[in-house]
Amino acid sequence: KQEVTQIPAALSVPEGENLVLNCSFTDSAIYNLQWFRQDPGKGLTSLLLIQSSQREQTSGRLNASLDKSSGRSTLYIAASQPGDSATYLCAAPHAGNMLTFGGGTRLMVKP
Amino acid sequence: ETGVTQTPRHLVMGMTNKKSLKCEQHLGHNAMYWYKQSAKKPLELMFVYSLEERVENNSVPSRFSPECPNSSHLFLHLHTLQPEDSALYLCASSYNLYNSPLHFGNGTRLTVT
Repeated sequence: KQEVTQIPAALSVPEGENLVLNCSFTDSAIYNLQWFRQDPGKGLTSLLLIQSSQREQTSGRLNASLDKSSGRSTLYIAASQPGDSATYLCAAPHAGNMLTFGGGTRLMVKP
Repeated sequence: ETGVTQTPRHLVMGMTNKKSLKCEQHLGHNAMYWYKQSAKKPLELMFVYSLEERVENNSVPSRFSPECPNSSHLFLHLHTLQPEDSALYLCASSYNLYNSPLHFGNGTRLTVT
């Protein structure tokens, strides 16, 4: 059974800081790991999908890394902006694309 | 407009009512999912359909009944719900069941009174 944990649960930073969100998972036999963003009252937006054969994936100011052997992934956000304020969710599959989600990290970037 | 549309956005129903949630995707995807998001709990996978066939039923009570008439539409039929079923119900789709990102709708906020 896959279990996903995200640390910290909440984070508040001033604008411009670089920050790292952490995700750990228990079953390393995964095809991929996915990061999502959720704004209040909205659905999830896919940010990055890292294939199991990859070590990292980048999109703009976001960089996600994957270490299957240690069961860890990190999401790095460079030069944070107030518009980055949201909840960030990590998800690892327990089979195929059947995702198990972590509890999320609620990020607040202050102007 | 997102590629995945859910209706209604909000729903209030009594415990004896019957209602349905609707999801439609315009992305040409072959897999569709229902997730439940309760306050202070991680998202929970409820049902998965691939090419209109159910491939996962995650021990969901029978008062929730999914239907997938074609690869673009997914329904969740609700009857005799409990107050603890109040949550945000999210629909998602993906190109296939392996290695393709999920695209979510904005959800239906359900309140059971």
